Amino acid sequence: GESVGLHLPTLSVQEGDNSIINCAYSNSASDYFIWYKQESGKGPQFIIDIRSNMDKRQGQRVTVLLNKTVKHLSLQIAATQPGDSAVYFCAENRRGADGLTFGKGTHLIIQP
Amino acid sequence: ETGVTQSPTHLIKTRGQQVTLRCSSQSGHNTVSWYQQALGQGPQFIFQYYREEENGRGNFPPRFSGLQFPNYSSELNVNALELDDSALYLCASSFSGGAYEQYFGPGTRLTVT
Repeated sequence: GESVGLHLPTLSVQEGDNSIINCAYSNSASDYFIWYKQESGKGPQFIIDIRSNMDKRQGQRVTVLLNKTVKHLSLQIAATQPGDSAVYFCAENRRGADGLTFGKGTHLIIQP
Repeated sequence: ETGVTQSPTHLIKTRGQQVTLRCSSQSGHNTVSWYQQALGQGPQFIFQYYREEENGRGNFPPRFSGLQFPNYSSELNVNALELDDSALYLCASSFSGGAYEQYFGPGTRLTVT
């Protein structure tokens, strides 16, 4: 069925290394994507978004890459810090819809 | 700039009861979307309110209803509570309808016993 999902439920990285979190989507009608960070007991925090007319967008220490050919989205976090530990969700908006469709999330664990 | 706020933080209700959750949007935002997040899952879209009207709805039954007020704050009402309604309820505010740049509040944790 049509869904947004993540390849890995848990990702463990060393502090200071770069993290790459992946996301696959199956709906070719999706034209907007967002990455959120959710810490325990808190609401999702907006990280970065990208529209389907772009293939790359950079923020502070984060980069989102969109490959429409293979319907793949990734979030790269540079120089991962302990405060980056959280669950990361990708979400898509299907053209014409008003809500976001979320995947199940990837738990990013930072090793000292 | 004031962020999205929600009340109450936690709530415990009994099956069959009704509940009202509240959300104040971020300053400058006129759109509120509500999501349900079960434990260990991603949020699921319930509905969106824009200019005081429902502007889109996910796959939730009619016992989930809402309101938006002239100051853009919003309420989520759930009637005839079921055990499976236990979840974190999130609201997100944005500008001018649609799904772009939605900013979430801290959520209300609802437990149905």
